[in-house]
Amino acid sequence: GAGVSQTPSNKVTEKGKYVELRCDPISGHTALYWYRQSLGQGPEFLIYFQGTGAADDSGLPNDRFFAVRPEGSVSTLKIQRTERGDSAVYLCASSLYGGASDTQYFGPGTRLTVL
Amino acid sequence: AQKITQTQPGMFVQEKEAVTLDCTYDTSDPSYGLFWYKQPSSGEMIFLIYQGSYDQQNATEGRYSLNFQKARKSANLVISASQLGDSAMYFCAMRATNTGNQFYFGTGTSLTVIP
Repeated sequence: GAGVSQTPSNKVTEKGKYVELRCDPISGHTALYWYRQSLGQGPEFLIYFQGTGAADDSGLPNDRFFAVRPEGSVSTLKIQRTERGDSAVYLCASSLYGGASDTQYFGPGTRLTVL
Repeated sequence: AQKITQTQPGMFVQEKEAVTLDCTYDTSDPSYGLFWYKQPSSGEMIFLIYQGSYDQQNATEGRYSLNFQKARKSANLVISASQLGDSAMYFCAMRATNTGNQFYFGTGTSLTVIP
């Protein structure tokens, strides 16, 4: 079956602009996660959805970052007033039910570059 | 706080030899899961192997095995019979039941397989 997909694969924007990054999880997976990976680092947790609700958004760095998952499937990560420090690869993952032993399957990521 | 430590920024191994990638973790939660992911240059995170904190036996998946030493809080990945396609970044990750659903990742180890 299809894996996690993310669009766009690359996004270049100017400082101060608004961007949206999309994640399409594996069908039937109730849990969805967003991570940010800077060069030379491991992924850093941003937010976790269980169904339509954000169960844990403690990793969002500030109020410029927001994510939604209105129908419990596709999710959009929204970044307002982008800054150069937001440049990173944004990874999305999904898992079947969200438990501690539940394997997360990752998408290919969106590389965001803020000029 | 949860913490994952990978002390080997880079490793080299001869093709067909075995290699061990180190991972230590720190948690006060008795229930947790440990994961290893491979990230090739394409950027996608590929799940390799999982070990639960209550599992009595070390996990194995094909050429991958996890050397789980609970008292030492280590979860080293062993790759047997290395192949050129194993060249990639390898990340150790942990998820604990009582601290929500965050995955904590280490900084990764870059493995290069030499022909």
